[in-house]
Formats: sequence, structure tokens, C-alpha cells
Amino acid sequence: KNQVEQSPQSLIILEGKNCTLQCNYTVSPFSNLRWYKQDTGRGPVSLTIMTFSENTKSNGRYTATLDADTKQSSLHITASQLSDSASYICVVTPTSVKAAGNKLTFGGGTRVLVKP
Amino acid sequence: GAGVSQSPRYKVAKRGQDVALRCDPISGHVSLFWYQQALGQGPEFLTYFQNEAQLDKSGLPSDRFFAERPEGSVSTLKIQRTQQEDSAVYLCASSTRSALQETQYFGPGTRLLVL
Repeated sequence: KNQVEQSPQSLIILEGKNCTLQCNYTVSPFSNLRWYKQDTGRGPVSLTIMTFSENTKSNGRYTATLDADTKQSSLHITASQLSDSASYICVVTPTSVKAAGNKLTFGGGTRVLVKP
Repeated sequence: GAGVSQSPRYKVAKRGQDVALRCDPISGHVSLFWYQQALGQGPEFLTYFQNEAQLDKSGLPSDRFFAERPEGSVSTLKIQRTQQEDSAVYLCASSTRSALQETQYFGPGTRLLVL
């Protein structure tokens, strides 16, 4: 069972609208949680990074939140643009390399399509 | 400066053929990772190098998969006797230091299709 679950798997939104992507994780303890954006045919690019003690982090129109108690994170996209069409991947970094190996734990991603 | 580059970008192989995928990490980056990404899925860890040392190869799916980084910079992922289930995008990432908490910078990937 994947330790990072994302929802929805995909969504379609109209240009200019807002949307929120969800990430539930069971990786514990963890040192940080990142959201990556992956354009089609490209590698993932880091959008935000939060440590377990941070609640929110913004990067332009992207705002990530983290609730370490409920083990949930969200990524909110404001005033979506056509260029926001991509996959968004939630990634959790375990604290202990010894326990978890050198493995980041990736979610399956949410595929966002922004339509004009 | 240049990011992580990978070649080839696309590779079509016949089943049973051997393939070699190349990764050029960002200059000076100590750590290098290989991932396998199936269609519509997140990346799955394959192996990790710190300089020329392969410290973790626990994610390699079979002994047909082999990776090397002989001089601590360029890395090659080799797949022998390719099978259809090997079809995927193979991503390479590098980071400045060895800590897993460091940001990993990904290449564009090599899309492998085994017929």
C-alpha cells in the first residue's frame, strides 16, 4: 500500500478558476513534504517544501498547507492558467535513511487540465 | 547553468535487446538517483549513488538492471534482455549533498518502449 495517497487522480478546471489537490500520507516520522509539478514529457520540478513544523508555504499562485496531526497536505492553485496543466506530485522525505533507505515516498500524482 | 540532462529522450527496443540510458547530472552534485515512472504513476526509486559509490540498489526490479557512475559524474542505467514490463519513463535526479532532505533536480527522463 502506497504511503502517500493523492486525490483526485485527475481534474479539469476552467482557466481562471481555483482548485485544491489533496495528499494523505502515513510516512512517519518525516523531515519534509514537497509538492512537485511535472509537465508532460518533463521531469518533476519542486514547487514548495514544508518541514513538519510548518503549516503553509506559498510560491506565487501555489499555496501548500500541511496538517501534521491529521497527516494531510493540500495544494491550492489560485486563478489557474493554461500553463498549470500538469501532474502534481506529493513527496514525503522520511527522517531516517537507515529505516527507510534512500527512498523519497512519491504519491501517484493528480493530473490537472486547465481549459480555456 | 545546465540542468540534469538525459539521453536518449526516447528509445524503442525489441524484447530481449539490451539498452543503456545516460544521465548527466548537474556539475558538482554529489548524489544521483534513478527512478522508474510508469504511465500515470509517481516515480519509483531504483538506485542511489553518492559520488561513484552505489549506496543503495534495493529498488532495482531484477538482476537485468545495472547502474554505474564510475567517475562520480555521468551515470548509465543498463537494462539487459528487455521485457515489455520494462516500458516506462526512467528519470534521473541529482542533488548537491548526500542528505535525503536536499532538493533533487530531475532530468526530462528517457521514455523506453519495449515491443
